[in-house]
Amino acid sequence: DAGVTQSPTHLIKTRGQQVTLRCSPKSGHDTVSWYQQALGQGPQFIFQYYEEEERQRGNFPDRFSGHQFPNYSSELNVNALLLGDSALYLCASSGRLSEQYFGPGTRLTVT
Amino acid sequence: AQSVAQPEDQVNVAEGNPLTVKCTYSVSGNPYLFWYVQYPNRGLQFLLKYITGDNLVKGSYGFEAEFNKSQTSFHLKKPSALVSDSALYFCAVRDGTGGFKTIFGAGTRLFVKA
Repeated sequence: DAGVTQSPTHLIKTRGQQVTLRCSPKSGHDTVSWYQQALGQGPQFIFQYYEEEERQRGNFPDRFSGHQFPNYSSELNVNALLLGDSALYLCASSGRLSEQYFGPGTRLTVT
Repeated sequence: AQSVAQPEDQVNVAEGNPLTVKCTYSVSGNPYLFWYVQYPNRGLQFLLKYITGDNLVKGSYGFEAEFNKSQTSFHLKKPSALVSDSALYFCAVRDGTGGFKTIFGAGTRLFVKA
Protein backbone atom coordinates (compact mmCIF):
# COMPACT_ATOMS: atom_id res chain seq x y z
CA ASP A 1 0.00 0.00 0.00
CA ALA A 2 1.63 3.20 -1.17
CA GLY A 3 1.65 6.05 1.25
CA VAL A 4 1.36 9.71 0.36
CA THR A 5 3.55 10.63 -2.59
CA GLN A 6 4.65 14.08 -3.69
CA SER A 7 6.43 15.41 -6.76
CA PRO A 8 8.85 16.83 -7.46
CA THR A 9 11.25 16.26 -4.57
CA HIS A 10 13.16 19.47 -5.13
CA LEU A 11 12.48 22.55 -7.20
CA ILE A 12 14.35 25.78 -7.86
CA LYS A 13 12.45 28.76 -9.22
CA THR A 14 13.08 32.44 -9.78
CA ARG A 15 11.13 35.28 -8.16
CA GLY A 16 7.94 36.06 -10.03
CA GLN A 17 7.59 32.60 -11.54
CA GLN A 18 4.79 30.16 -10.92
CA VAL A 19 5.06 26.63 -9.53
CA THR A 20 2.82 23.56 -9.32
CA LEU A 21 3.34 20.84 -6.74
CA ARG A 22 1.58 17.50 -6.85
CA CYS A 23 0.31 15.04 -4.28
CA SER A 24 -1.24 11.59 -4.38
CA PRO A 25 -3.00 10.59 -1.15
CA LYS A 26 -2.73 7.33 0.70
CA SER A 27 -5.04 4.66 -0.65
CA GLY A 28 -8.52 5.02 0.87
CA HIS A 29 -8.08 8.65 1.85
CA ASP A 30 -10.31 11.33 0.35
CA THR A 31 -9.06 14.49 2.06
CA VAL A 32 -5.86 16.34 1.25
CA SER A 33 -4.26 19.17 3.22
CA TRP A 34 -1.25 21.28 2.27
CA TYR A 35 1.27 22.77 4.66
CA GLN A 36 4.25 25.08 4.37
CA GLN A 37 7.17 24.33 6.68
CA ALA A 38 9.85 27.01 6.83
CA LEU A 39 13.25 26.08 8.19
CA GLY A 40 13.15 25.60 11.95
CA GLN A 41 9.39 26.01 12.20
CA GLY A 42 6.34 23.82 12.46
CA PRO A 43 4.09 23.18 9.47
CA GLN A 44 1.67 26.02 8.67
CA PHE A 45 -1.76 25.06 7.31
CA ILE A 46 -2.38 26.38 3.80
CA PHE A 47 -5.72 24.74 2.92
CA GLN A 48 -7.65 21.49 2.83
CA TYR A 49 -9.50 19.87 -0.05
CA TYR A 50 -12.42 17.48 0.21
CA GLU A 51 -14.78 16.38 -2.57
CA GLU A 52 -12.83 18.59 -4.99
CA GLU A 53 -13.63 21.73 -2.99
CA GLU A 54 -11.47 23.90 -0.75
CA ARG A 55 -12.96 23.18 2.66
CA GLN A 56 -10.87 25.46 4.85
CA ARG A 57 -8.03 27.87 4.31
CA GLY A 58 -5.24 29.18 6.50
CA ASN A 59 -3.68 32.65 6.48
CA PHE A 60 -2.10 32.50 3.07
CA PRO A 61 -2.58 34.99 0.22
CA ASP A 62 -4.55 34.24 -2.92
CA ARG A 63 -1.27 33.55 -4.73
CA PHE A 64 -1.62 30.10 -3.17
CA SER A 65 -4.31 28.06 -4.86
CA GLY A 66 -5.11 24.42 -5.22
CA HIS A 67 -7.13 21.77 -6.87
CA GLN A 68 -8.36 18.29 -6.08
CA PHE A 69 -9.12 15.79 -8.82
CA PRO A 70 -11.80 13.06 -8.87
CA ASN A 71 -9.16 10.46 -7.94
CA TYR A 72 -8.44 12.56 -4.79
CA SER A 73 -4.98 13.64 -5.92
CA SER A 74 -4.21 17.31 -5.49
CA GLU A 75 -2.11 20.18 -6.77
CA LEU A 76 -0.78 23.26 -5.03
CA ASN A 77 -0.10 26.27 -7.23
CA VAL A 78 1.86 29.30 -6.16
CA ASN A 79 1.96 32.38 -8.40
CA ALA A 80 4.33 35.35 -8.38
CA LEU A 81 6.87 33.56 -6.22
CA LEU A 82 8.65 35.51 -3.50
CA LEU A 83 11.91 34.68 -1.77
CA GLY A 84 9.87 34.06 1.39
CA ASP A 85 8.02 31.21 -0.33
CA SER A 86 11.14 29.07 -0.04
CA ALA A 87 10.16 26.20 2.23
CA LEU A 88 9.31 22.52 2.47
CA TYR A 89 5.77 21.97 1.19
CA LEU A 90 4.03 19.04 2.80
CA CYS A 91 0.93 17.24 1.63
CA ALA A 92 -1.10 15.22 4.11
CA SER A 93 -4.03 12.92 3.49
CA SER A 94 -6.69 11.65 5.84
CA GLY A 95 -9.82 9.56 5.72
CA ARG A 96 -12.47 8.70 8.26
CA LEU A 97 -9.96 8.80 11.08
CA SER A 98 -8.69 12.21 12.03
CA GLU A 99 -4.94 11.66 11.91
CA GLN A 100 -3.06 12.76 8.86
CA TYR A 101 -0.45 10.90 6.87
CA PHE A 102 2.26 13.07 5.41
CA GLY A 103 4.26 12.80 2.24
CA PRO A 104 8.03 13.41 2.16
CA GLY A 105 7.54 16.97 0.95
CA THR A 106 8.73 19.14 -1.90
CA ARG A 107 11.65 21.44 -1.15
CA LEU A 108 11.05 24.72 -3.01
CA THR A 109 13.88 27.21 -3.34
CA VAL A 110 13.14 30.64 -4.78
CA THR A 111 16.13 32.65 -5.98
CA ALA B 1 -8.37 30.93 17.75
CA GLN B 2 -6.34 27.77 18.00
CA SER B 3 -2.76 27.72 19.21
CA VAL B 4 -0.15 25.25 20.38
CA ALA B 5 2.87 25.95 22.57
CA GLN B 6 5.87 23.71 22.93
CA PRO B 7 7.88 25.55 25.57
CA GLU B 8 11.15 23.67 25.07
CA ASP B 9 13.20 24.02 21.90
CA GLN B 10 15.27 21.01 22.91
CA VAL B 11 15.04 18.19 25.43
CA ASN B 12 18.12 16.19 26.37
CA VAL B 13 17.84 12.80 28.07
CA ALA B 14 20.10 9.83 28.64
CA GLU B 15 19.25 6.52 27.03
CA GLY B 16 17.13 4.38 29.34
CA ASN B 17 15.75 7.36 31.24
CA PRO B 18 12.13 8.51 30.98
CA LEU B 19 11.39 11.41 28.67
CA THR B 20 8.72 14.09 28.57
CA VAL B 21 8.06 16.56 25.78
CA LYS B 22 5.65 19.28 26.82
CA CYS B 23 2.70 20.72 24.93
CA THR B 24 -0.08 23.13 25.87
CA TYR B 25 -2.92 24.15 23.61
CA SER B 26 -5.77 26.58 23.17
CA VAL B 27 -8.92 25.80 21.19
CA SER B 28 -12.49 27.06 21.50
CA GLY B 29 -14.24 23.75 20.90
CA ASN B 30 -13.41 20.14 21.67
CA PRO B 31 -9.70 19.53 21.18
CA TYR B 32 -8.41 16.87 18.86
CA LEU B 33 -4.76 16.49 19.86
CA PHE B 34 -1.91 14.84 18.01
CA TRP B 35 1.79 14.13 18.24
CA TYR B 36 3.95 13.71 15.15
CA VAL B 37 7.65 12.98 14.74
CA GLN B 38 9.91 14.22 11.97
CA TYR B 39 13.25 12.69 11.05
CA PRO B 40 15.78 14.66 8.95
CA ASN B 41 14.66 15.31 5.38
CA ARG B 42 11.48 13.36 5.91
CA GLY B 43 7.79 14.12 6.24
CA LEU B 44 5.96 13.88 9.54
CA GLN B 45 4.95 10.52 11.03
CA PHE B 46 1.85 10.15 13.19
CA LEU B 47 2.56 8.92 16.74
CA LEU B 48 -0.71 9.17 18.64
CA LYS B 49 -3.92 11.12 19.11
CA TYR B 50 -6.52 12.08 21.68
CA ILE B 51 -10.09 12.54 20.49
CA THR B 52 -12.17 11.37 23.42
CA GLY B 53 -12.12 8.73 26.13
CA ASP B 54 -9.21 7.81 28.38
CA ASN B 55 -6.90 10.66 29.19
CA LEU B 56 -3.85 8.45 28.74
CA VAL B 57 -3.36 7.45 25.13
CA LYS B 58 -0.79 5.01 23.83
CA GLY B 59 0.85 5.26 20.45
CA SER B 60 3.63 4.01 18.25
CA TYR B 61 7.15 3.07 19.38
CA GLY B 62 6.22 2.95 23.09
CA PHE B 63 5.16 6.60 23.29
CA GLU B 64 2.16 7.74 25.29
CA ALA B 65 0.56 11.08 26.07
CA GLU B 66 -1.66 12.36 28.84
CA PHE B 67 -4.53 14.73 28.13
CA ASN B 68 -5.16 17.18 30.95
CA LYS B 69 -8.22 19.31 30.29
CA SER B 70 -7.82 21.63 33.29
CA GLN B 71 -4.22 22.44 32.40
CA THR B 72 -4.91 22.33 28.63
CA SER B 73 -1.85 20.13 28.23
CA PHE B 74 -0.98 17.07 26.21
CA HIS B 75 2.54 16.02 27.18
CA LEU B 76 4.33 13.24 25.31
CA LYS B 77 6.07 10.61 27.41
CA LYS B 78 8.11 7.45 27.14
CA PRO B 79 9.27 5.35 30.08
CA SER B 80 12.68 4.49 28.63
CA ALA B 81 14.30 6.57 25.89
CA LEU B 82 16.28 5.11 23.00
CA VAL B 83 19.00 6.83 20.98
CA SER B 84 16.83 6.19 17.92
CA ASP B 85 14.10 8.40 19.46
CA SER B 86 16.26 11.44 18.69
CA ALA B 87 14.17 13.53 16.29
CA LEU B 88 11.93 16.58 16.04
CA TYR B 89 8.55 16.24 17.73
CA PHE B 90 5.46 18.28 16.92
CA CYS B 91 2.29 18.68 18.92
CA ALA B 92 -0.82 19.64 16.95
CA VAL B 93 -4.41 20.59 17.70
CA ARG B 94 -7.59 20.70 15.69
CA ASP B 95 -10.91 22.15 16.78
CA GLY B 96 -13.10 19.05 16.81
CA THR B 97 -16.26 21.13 16.83
CA GLY B 98 -16.52 21.44 13.08
CA GLY B 99 -13.04 22.75 12.24
CA PHE B 100 -10.68 21.16 9.74
CA LYS B 101 -7.57 23.25 10.28
CA THR B 102 -4.74 21.62 12.21
CA ILE B 103 -2.33 23.91 14.02
CA PHE B 104 1.19 22.70 14.80
CA GLY B 105 3.57 23.80 17.48
CA ALA B 106 7.06 25.00 16.64
CA GLY B 107 8.54 21.62 17.51
CA THR B 108 10.84 20.23 20.19
CA ARG B 109 14.11 18.57 19.29
CA LEU B 110 14.71 15.48 21.39
CA PHE B 111 18.31 14.40 21.84
CA VAL B 112 18.91 11.03 23.51
CA LYS B 113 22.49 10.43 24.56
CA ALA B 114 23.92 6.93 24.72
